[in-house]
Amino acid sequence: GAVVSQHPSRVICKSGTSVKIECRSLDFQATTMFWYRQFPKQSLMLMATSNEGSKATYEQGVEKDKFLINHASLTLSTLTVTSAHPEDSSFYICSARDSGGNYNEQFFGPGTRLTVL
Amino acid sequence: GEDVEQSLFLSVREGDSSVINCTYTDSSSTYLYWYKQEPGAGLQLLTYIFSNMDMKQDQRLTVLLNKKDKHLSLRIADTQTGDSAIYFCALRGDSNYQLIWGAGTKLIIKP
Repeated sequence: GAVVSQHPSRVICKSGTSVKIECRSLDFQATTMFWYRQFPKQSLMLMATSNEGSKATYEQGVEKDKFLINHASLTLSTLTVTSAHPEDSSFYICSARDSGGNYNEQFFGPGTRLTVL
Repeated sequence: GEDVEQSLFLSVREGDSSVINCTYTDSSSTYLYWYKQEPGAGLQLLTYIFSNMDMKQDQRLTVLLNKKDKHLSLRIADTQTGDSAIYFCALRGDSNYQLIWGAGTKLIIKP
């Protein structure tokens, strides 16, 4: 099946620094990728929809200047958490839809655990 | 907006059937999914059902949809230790690819 990778899988950073998370579709092209945030014992929260070659669409309440998304190619989307604070600590998951495949299915990355000290 | 509810935990004995339930509020949901999340791994699509179906069976998995009660369930027959995971239900409307998620149910297998 289609594989989505995320890098890094785990990152610890100091408050005030920026962290970049990469999401790659390894064996398919993804025009659309999604970024989610998962809180403990809570559902996945969609943060933004990332479209290749255009600006991301952010969900209500998500600060686009804080969570910068770049989808520069059909296989790579990046999420940069700028000036991270402890409340940004969370599990971030990306997913990708195969541009040439079943549009019902999203393929998910393994997630990135961000801890801000 | 859409609200999707799941119990946080389910404990079953190995070999028994597991039934994971999900209730939702938006009757316009067109596609209803079940995902499995194992520690350290990505979300894996287990199965999905269209809103015009009542039941779908795939080997040990049976999905039941009661549209009147807005209730979706996932039954896992002959539950094995490898089934230990968090199971999420997710819903999608017809007009976009965004999914609305439940909080996930952690399936615990007792020997």
